[in-house]
Amino acid sequence: GAVVSQHPSWVICKSGTSVKIECRSLDFQATTMFWYRQFPKQSLMLMATSNEGSKATYEQGVEKDKFLINHASLTLSTLTVTSAHPEDSSFYICSVSGRGRTGELFFGEGSRLTVL
Amino acid sequence: DAKTTQPPSMDCAEGRAANLPCNHSTISGNEYVYWYRQIHSQGPQYIIHGLKNNETNEMASLIITEDRKSSTLILPHATLRDTAVYYCIVSITGANSKLTFGKGITLSVRP
Repeated sequence: GAVVSQHPSWVICKSGTSVKIECRSLDFQATTMFWYRQFPKQSLMLMATSNEGSKATYEQGVEKDKFLINHASLTLSTLTVTSAHPEDSSFYICSVSGRGRTGELFFGEGSRLTVL
Repeated sequence: DAKTTQPPSMDCAEGRAANLPCNHSTISGNEYVYWYRQIHSQGPQYIIHGLKNNETNEMASLIITEDRKSSTLILPHATLRDTAVYYCIVSITGANSKLTFGKGITLSVRP
């Protein structure tokens, strides 16, 4: 399966700052990446679909100006949490779906964000 | 995407087979059944998927009923490392298909 790497694996920041999380597809070109968020003891919630070279598609209720997504190349997508607040503290996970694949997604290790 | 229903939890003894059920009675003809698992504080891991035929790989077997309204994931010899939340998801296939996760079933493997 695909190897997906996220960085950082955990980050602590002060309220009001912005945090960038990177998602890299290490062994194949990913035209589409997905960003999920997971609160403690809850399931994964899809936030947005990141398409290489175009604007991301956000799920209902997810603020696009709050969660900036950039998919500038076939191997890298970034999620920036702008002006983070404690309620943004969560586990953020990216996944990769490439051309020709039969739909299975391969996930990164996740990035745990704690906003103080 | 069709909705799935899974029991909230189950347990099994180490070394025994773990049979995880999933109901997806509203599945449509072009939707696949996918199984993922998530070990605590890690990203989900792909296990297996299928359309109508039973599937087997090095991790598990997937048994889909003839009417496709339910399926069972079988871990033939469960180990303690198989303790995780297992998600059954139905979705159309394709590189841009997104997966919607439900609550999953928590499998606890006991020594």
